[in-house]
Order: sequence, then structure tokens, then C-alpha cells
Amino acid sequence: AQKITQTQPGMFVQEKEAVTLDCTYDTSDQSYGLFWYKQPSSGEMIFLIYQGSYDEQNATEGRYSLNFQKARKSANLVISASQLGDSAMYFCAMRGTGRRALTFGSGTRLQVQP
Amino acid sequence: NAGVTQTPKFRILKIGQSMTLQCAQDMNHNYMYWYRQDPGMGLKLIYYSVGAGITDKGEVPNGYNVSRSTTEDFPLRLELAAPSQTSVYFCASSLGGVGEQYFGPGTRLTVT
Repeated sequence: AQKITQTQPGMFVQEKEAVTLDCTYDTSDQSYGLFWYKQPSSGEMIFLIYQGSYDEQNATEGRYSLNFQKARKSANLVISASQLGDSAMYFCAMRGTGRRALTFGSGTRLQVQP
Repeated sequence: NAGVTQTPKFRILKIGQSMTLQCAQDMNHNYMYWYRQDPGMGLKLIYYSVGAGITDKGEVPNGYNVSRSTTEDFPLRLELAAPSQTSVYFCASSLGGVGEQYFGPGTRLTVT
């Protein structure tokens, strides 16, 4: 079985500051992928970043980076230089090899304050 | 490309009614999925399909049925709607079994 835990129901950050959203996971799969999605108030799911379990480098996509610590089973999302438009729900998800769909965490609501 | 499209955007059903949520993708993806998202929660998998004619249950399949007669379409059928099925339903697709899933805009369903 797979499980994603996001322990921060809500986070506040000042505009232009960096913020880290926590994600820990549990899986018995040797190979897996970790994903972060953003869900703004409009409701759509927007893919942000992906990290493969065998990737040696931490993934980066623009202002998003994934701090992957395999031994700790954590995959935290770091958003640099926060913008007001970053205010949204953020979901961590994973999929193991041979598994067909994503397992999602319960999400973290980020609010960026001016 | 339109990506993943879903209709309707909103729907109110009475208890016991039935309906079909439509999902289509134009990216020639083999894999398609249906998730539901209850208020304040993450998404849970209802059904998925790895290709035309092949479907399988996810975590919460009870009360739903699917079919996959073409690569493009993956409708979700609700029979005998119940208040517990009040949720936002997302359809998604992916090229293969790894990598990014592309999500539709969602259907907000209320059963009263």
C-alpha cells in the first residue's frame, strides 16, 4: 500500500519569500514517482513538478524545486520568491511502478500575503 | 489540443437518479482515470483504464460504472445517486503508466 502524508493543513508566507511544503510518503515499491499539483480556487489541478525515485538530482521547474530525501521518505516542495498567485491548495502525490494511478495526500493550503 | 474535457461542469441530482459524466481527451493517451475529491480532501481513484476495452476498479468504485469503447472517451456512470456521492469528479489521462497525469476541469456534483 502507498500513503502520502501532508502535515500542514495551512501555511502563510509573505510575498517574495520562500516557503517549504512538507510531504512524506510510505511505499514498498522500489521504483516510484513523486508529484506535486497545485489547485487554485478555480478548482483545476495543475501539474508542477515530478521526481523519480532513482533520479540523483532534485527536480526543479522555474520557481519550484523538490527537496527529495529518499532515506527519510520525504519530498518537500520549495517555492522561491512567492507570488500572490501562488495562493492555492497544494497536493503531493505518488505512483509506484506497476500501479495505475496516483495516491494523493490531503493537501496544504498556502496563502501568500502582500 | 483541448487536452482533457469534462461535461457537465455542475449538476444537481435527486437521490436515486442516474447520470453519466463525460470525459474526453485528444492527446491519444492510453491511460485514463476517474477521481473524486471530497471537501478538504485529496483525490481518490474511482476507476481507471489502460486502453480501449480495458477498465479496472480503483479505491472507491462502489456506486459507479465505466466503459472505454474508444481511446478518446471514458464516461463515468452513476446509478441510483446517493448524498455520499456529492463531490467534485476529475477525469485525467496519461500517455503511459508513469509520468504526469493531465486533469480535466472537474464536474461538481451535488446529490440532494
